[in-house]
Amino acid sequence: SQQGEEDPQALSIQEGENATMNCSYKTSINNLQWYRQNSGRGLVHLILIRSNEREKHSGRLRVTLDTSKKSSSLLITASRAADTASYFCATEMYSGGGADGLTFGKGTHLIIQP
Amino acid sequence: DTGVSQDPRHKITKRGQNVTFRCDPISEHNRLYWYRQTLGQGPEFLTYFQNEAQLEKSRLLSDRFSAERPKGSFSTLEIQRTEQGDSAMYLCASSLDPGRALETQYFGPGTRLLVL
Repeated sequence: SQQGEEDPQALSIQEGENATMNCSYKTSINNLQWYRQNSGRGLVHLILIRSNEREKHSGRLRVTLDTSKKSSSLLITASRAADTASYFCATEMYSGGGADGLTFGKGTHLIIQP
Repeated sequence: DTGVSQDPRHKITKRGQNVTFRCDPISEHNRLYWYRQTLGQGPEFLTYFQNEAQLEKSRLLSDRFSAERPKGSFSTLEIQRTEQGDSAMYLCASSLDPGRALETQYFGPGTRLLVL
């Protein structure tokens, strides 16, 4: 089953604009991660935010986390054609003796038009 | 390139045949994960290893699937008596022990399986 659900499923914007995508999840988490996937490079880790953090920045990326609403958002500023990809949020829960695998949503397919 | 590698990158097989995939993690990583991804979906967790020990298996991992990591380095995923529903991208990821810094999983390029 997939815990995270990204919204929107698809997003098309002009190069230079900002792109915002959201993720909702169902159960308590230890951290939430965002990944990017395109046909050329596979699944690439973008940023990780801990459950006790509210906002994090990395270059043109800004991630927020609201644990009370069980939601996160990823903002990509000044988008470029190379940002065209599918973006997934993934949550991680610890249980028993160690970490479980990541649980991914279905992704947001982002298209940057030149 | 010292990232996660997977072999083969593509595999076409006939229904009922057995297939085996290999994953080589980043050398200092002691955790290794297998995921499966079908078209239009996110990756789904299958199983993971802490060194050579297989610590968890998803309900998605039927009896036809078996994974090994005999020396705590590379891992193999075997699918016996393949079915058309097994067609998917099989992804491998590795990470450091979570007792250290934040655990980021690094993914390989995947093996795309097509069962005819």
